[in-house]
Amino acid sequence: EAGVVQSPRYKIIEKKQPVAFWCNPISGHNTLYWYLQNLGQGPELLIRYENEEAVDDSQLPKDRFSAERLKGVDSTLKIQPAELGDSAVYLCASSLGGASGYNEQFFGPGTRLTVL
Amino acid sequence: TQLLEQSPQFLSIQEGENLTVYCNSSSVFSSLQWYRQEPGEGPVLLVTVVTGGEVKKLKRLTFQFGDARKDSSLHITAAQPGDTGLYLCAGGGANSGYALNFGKGTSLLVTP
Repeated sequence: EAGVVQSPRYKIIEKKQPVAFWCNPISGHNTLYWYLQNLGQGPELLIRYENEEAVDDSQLPKDRFSAERLKGVDSTLKIQPAELGDSAVYLCASSLGGASGYNEQFFGPGTRLTVL
Repeated sequence: TQLLEQSPQFLSIQEGENLTVYCNSSSVFSSLQWYRQEPGEGPVLLVTVVTGGEVKKLKRLTFQFGDARKDSSLHITAAQPGDTGLYLCAGGGANSGYALNFGKGTSLLVTP
């Protein structure tokens, strides 16, 4: 079974440019998460989807970040415009969700963003 | 936000040594998970503990959930270079809307 797929793996852009990350979760996983991870730190939740609905986006900086999961499967996270401080690894994870278990999450390899 | 404190933050040991890392919180969790993350990869789930006092073993790794479900420990016996990585604990459950709160991690380096 394929795991969580993310692309691109690496992205280097200049500040003020837009950037987008794509995630395809494990088949059948209703819940999808986007995390930000700084070097040497644990992941920090940006947004959580249950199917196509964003149920927790309280930590998403909405002035420059946006996300969508239109058909409840794959998802895109966008930053526009990017700032130097956005340099980090962006992780996508998925889980069965809801009351189906203890919310064991499966992570993709992440996209490492460098903003110059 | 329910905070998870992990200690130590960094640990460098030689192959064959034993070690314990800790994950503490003032909050009660319905479940607690341990992940290991290698450079350039996403975290990989090692274990989920759900019952206070529960002990789970995964080869040379022993995980314990505190009786009050506020803390957990990970003990590695006879560490090997392949154990090198960032160990993350994450707590969650119904009270947090099934979201997970991650600690900052313990970065472990095992040298031959």
